[in-house]
Parts: sequence; C-alpha cells; structure tokens
Amino acid sequence: DIQMTQSPSLLSASVGDRVTLNCKASQNINKNLNWYQQKLGEAPKLLIYYTNNLQTGIPSRFSGSGSGTDYTLTISSLQPEDVATYFCFQYNSGLTFGSGTKLEIK
Amino acid sequence: QVQLKESGPGLVQPSQTLSLTCTVSGFSLTSNSVHWVRQPPGKGLEWMGGIWGDGSTDYNSALKSRLSISRDTSKSQVFLKMNSLQTDDTAIYFCTRELGAWGQGASVTVSS
Repeated sequence: DIQMTQSPSLLSASVGDRVTLNCKASQNINKNLNWYQQKLGEAPKLLIYYTNNLQTGIPSRFSGSGSGTDYTLTISSLQPEDVATYFCFQYNSGLTFGSGTKLEIK
Repeated sequence: QVQLKESGPGLVQPSQTLSLTCTVSGFSLTSNSVHWVRQPPGKGLEWMGGIWGDGSTDYNSALKSRLSISRDTSKSQVFLKMNSLQTDDTAIYFCTRELGAWGQGASVTVSS
C-alpha cells in the first residue's frame, strides 16, 4: 500500500503569509493527488485535483504542484478563514489519505 | 445539485454489525462511484471502500474482511455493512461521490 506523509503536522502562520504544506508518497503516484480542506465539525472539501487543478469555487490563492513522490499545496496569502486541517489523497494505486496538516493563525 | 446524506444508528454495541445508508440525489449511481470514508474523533481520514459505476467494489485491505458495500440504484442508495465492531470503530462516517462531493457525515459510537 502507498503511504502518504504530510509535513508539518502543525503550522502556525500570520494573516497574509505565504504558506506551503507538503505531502510525500512512498512511491511515484503520477500526479494522481488531491488536496482537501476540513474545517472543524465539517466534511472535507475538495480544493485541488490531479495535483494542480483548482476545484470550481475555490479561491485562486490556493495552488498545487508536484510530481513523482513530492507534492505541495500553497496558499499565497493566508486568510483567517483558511484555518483548517488539510489532507492530501492519492488515487494512483489504491486510495490513501495523508495524516493531515493543521493550519493555525499566529 | 449533487447531494449525499448518511443515515444509520448512532450507537452500536461491541461485536455487532454496523449498517449505514447513503442516499444520493443529483447524479446516477451507474455513472459515478461512491465511497465511504471515516474519521475517528480528533484523528485523520481513512478511506474504507467504494462501489464503482459498474457495481464493482474495492475495499481498504485493513477492513476488507469485515466490510461490505452494496447499492440499490432504484432507490439511489449505497449501503455499508461492517461486522465485529470494536470501540476503535467509533468515528464519523462519510459517503462521497468520487471523493468530490461529500455528505455531512454520520456519527457512530461503539459502546455497551
């Protein structure tokens, strides 16, 4: 099974900061990766699909990149409403979530 | 619009079987996959399994021996059955279309 490792597990940043969340796969996943945002008490929301495609309705400050085993979610200017836990998810071989990065405002 | 709603018992006794229903609208089960994902309190997301448009199923290898997913296309419903429940199966259980649209989740507590 493919393992997905997210780092950091907790990230504290200031409003307006550029933040980067990382996701590393245990083997090549051929860009078959989504990013989800989950706010407290809510269902996950799809932000990015197939590495770098912005889901409809998601603000353009969110972007994704990566290839092979290493992937990144970037928020260009952190907003208060971005406080959430972010999960990566691979669907190249089986289906596996990462363990999540909790994003807080400093 | 696409909607999914989970339903089932909030409390299940240890060693018993969990049965959940996902009722969908706004899309066809024969053209879309539906998956079950669970989240223990304070923890991350775990993909449990899914049923594809052609009716075939895939399961998380860690749960495969206890889990069954089926559907009734005439009622637009997808079913999850998992046996031999233990306290660490306590979680929010979500159904999701293609891992895109999600239901609100159903809270399940395993306790005597």
